[in-house]
Amino acid sequence: DAGVIQSPRHEVTEMGQEVTLRCKPISGHDYLFWYRQTMMRGLELLIYFNNNVPIDDSGMPEDRFSAKMPNASFSTLKIQPSEPRDSAVYFCASSLLGANVLTFGAGSRLTVL
Amino acid sequence: QKEVEQNSGPLSVPEGAIASLNCTYSDRGSQSFFWYRQYSGKSPELIMFIYSNGDKEDGRFTAQLNKASQYVSLLIRDSQPSDSATYLCAVFKAAGNKLTFGGGTRVLVKP
Repeated sequence: DAGVIQSPRHEVTEMGQEVTLRCKPISGHDYLFWYRQTMMRGLELLIYFNNNVPIDDSGMPEDRFSAKMPNASFSTLKIQPSEPRDSAVYFCASSLLGANVLTFGAGSRLTVL
Repeated sequence: QKEVEQNSGPLSVPEGAIASLNCTYSDRGSQSFFWYRQYSGKSPELIMFIYSNGDKEDGRFTAQLNKASQYVSLLIRDSQPSDSATYLCAVFKAAGNKLTFGGGTRVLVKP
C-alpha cells in the first residue's frame, strides 16, 4: 500500500483565496483524521470521519473551514476564505481501529500571504 | 493546564547514552499512551504504545507508564544520531475516540 496520500505538498496562496487540501487514506481504513500542526499550538485534531461520516468536528476553528469525505478513498479540507493565521502543516491520518494507531500522510504545508 | 505536557527541549544526548523523555497528562480516564517520532519536515510515525502500568520494551526503546502519577516516559538506549527528532507523546481516551498530542520534545544526539 502506498500509505496515506496528501496533495498538494506545498501551497502558497494569498489571503482571501480558497484552499482545498486532499487526502486518500489507506485502503480498508475506516477512520480518517485531519490534523493541523503549528509551532505555537502543536498538533491539533480538526475533524475525524468514521465510515465517511463526520463524527467530531469540534476542532474546526471556524466556519471558514469545512471537510468532506464523499467516499472511502477521498477526503477534502477546504478553507474559504484563507487568512495568514491559517498557515500551518495540515496532516491527514487514517486508521483501522479508531484514534489510537494512526498512519499519517506526508502533510500539506500551507502558506497564506 | 494542557491535556498532555512535554518539555520542549532540546534534550542533548551524547551518542551511546540513554535519552529519557517525560510526558504528563491531565485526564485520569485516559486509557492508552503512544509515542510518535517526527523528523524535521516529515510526518509523525508511531514508535510504540503502552496500555498497562509498568515497562514495555521494543528494541532500544522502553516506554514506562504510571497511571497513578499520570506520567509516561520513553527511554532510548544507545542513542544514535539518527534518533535526533521530535518525540510526541499522545494520549487516547475511548470516550470521544480522541488522541491528544503533547507539544513534543526535541532530541539531539551528538556524535
